[in-house]
Amino acid sequence: QKEVEQDPGPLSVPEGAIVSLNCTYSNSAFQYFMWYRQYSRKGPELLMYTYSSGNKEDGRFTAQVDKSSKYISLFIRDSQPSDSATYLCAMSALSGDMRFGAGTRLTVKP
Amino acid sequence: DGGITQSPKYLFRKEGQNVTLSCEQNLNHDAMYWYRQDPGQGLRLIYYSQIVNDFQKGDIAEGYSVSREKKESFPLTVTSAQKNPTAFYLCASAPIRDSLHQPQHFGDGTRLSIL
Repeated sequence: QKEVEQDPGPLSVPEGAIVSLNCTYSNSAFQYFMWYRQYSRKGPELLMYTYSSGNKEDGRFTAQVDKSSKYISLFIRDSQPSDSATYLCAMSALSGDMRFGAGTRLTVKP
Repeated sequence: DGGITQSPKYLFRKEGQNVTLSCEQNLNHDAMYWYRQDPGQGLRLIYYSQIVNDFQKGDIAEGYSVSREKKESFPLTVTSAQKNPTAFYLCASAPIRDSLHQPQHFGDGTRLSIL
C-alpha cells in the first residue's frame, strides 16, 4: 500500500463547476498538508498549506483535512479553464519527510 | 525576482555519460531537494541537503550524486550507473524555521532523455 493515494483521473468538468480532489494517507506521522498545482512542463506551485484538521479557504480554493480519517481534499469553486492542470497532494512529518500523491489531471472545459 | 532556476530545460544523455543538472536559488532557503517525476508516479526524493557541505540520500539515490558547496546551489549529477535516467527532474528549496521544514518551492524542471 502506498503511503499516499491519489486518484489520477483524468477529471473533466465544465466551466463553473465545483471540483473535488482527494487524497488518503496511511502514515499518522504526517502533520502538514499541502496542495500543489502543476501546469504542463512546469514545476509544482504551492496552492494551499495547512497543519490542522478542518477547512482553510483562499479565494476559490478550500483545503479540508480530516486527520482521524487520514483524508484530505481540495475544492475548487467556480472552476475556470485556467485551472486546468495536474494537482498534487503532499504531506510532511515534523522531521521534514515529505510524500507526494501521483497527481490528478484536471481539465475545465469552456 | 526571487526564485529557483533550473538549467538546462532539456538535456540529452549518451550511453556511459555523466550529466549535471543545475539548480540555483536566491530565496535564502536552508534546505534544497532533488526529485524525480515519472508519469503516473508521485515525486520521488533523490537527495536533500539542509546545510552547506552536508546532504542525505533520499529514496532513490542510486546512480545519482550531489554537492552543496554554496547555500544557493545544489547541482545533481546523473551518472552512467543510473540505467533508467529518462524523467523530469525537479529541484526544490524550503526555509527551516525552529527546526521545522516549511513548504517546498519548486523550479521549472529539467527533462532528461537518453540519446
